[in-house]
Amino acid sequence: QSALTQPASVSGSPGQSITISCTGTSSDVGGYNYVSWYQQHPGKAPKLMIYDVSNRPSGVSNRFSGSKSGNTASLTISGLQAEDEADYYCSSYTSSSTSYVFGTGTKVTVL
Amino acid sequence: EVQLVQSGAEVKKPGESLKISCKGSGYSFTSYWIGWVRQMPGKGLEWMGIIYPGDSDTRYSPSFQGQVTISADKSISTAYLQWSSLKASDTAMYYCARQRGDFGGDFDYWGQGTLVTVSS
Repeated sequence: QSALTQPASVSGSPGQSITISCTGTSSDVGGYNYVSWYQQHPGKAPKLMIYDVSNRPSGVSNRFSGSKSGNTASLTISGLQAEDEADYYCSSYTSSSTSYVFGTGTKVTVL
Repeated sequence: EVQLVQSGAEVKKPGESLKISCKGSGYSFTSYWIGWVRQMPGKGLEWMGIIYPGDSDTRYSPSFQGQVTISADKSISTAYLQWSSLKASDTAMYYCARQRGDFGGDFDYWGQGTLVTVSS
């Protein structure tokens, strides 16, 4: 099964907002509200940042927000901080295999 | 406190078998799906499969079906990922993670990872 498509890299200056896209199909991102986002710092396990498209787990900063339009989901980080520099992955349920799939990953750089 | 503690790093030769573990604590182990995620060196995350320890219902990604076996022993709150014949391409970090709900597929707690190195 194919991974969801994310930009390889996104960068921004401290305080700015950035948006990471996650493009799939009507069989995954577009068909279900089961999109989640993870943050992964080097050498660390991933951390859940957003679930069910736009919900934040307890403890996650409200600078992180999620949305979806058609077959593309998005993660927006507002008020960018140095600690936000990490890799970010989206994930979605896919009916094509009744399982789940991750995105290709995006490296966020804080300039 | 919810914790998932994975077994230690492994170094194996091609063709050998291996079973790594993931022990859950701090929650009802039988009530949440546990998943396994592969991360090859310098690469992204790959969803391998999940198991419901309550009844051992197991789902696999087509990419991993037949390549690995996911199991669980609810009596000791432990999930497993095993290979019958390792290949060099199985070299990766493997994470276990707890699925937050029944359907969303998102993982809210993660193990620390188990590094598997397969080399002759």
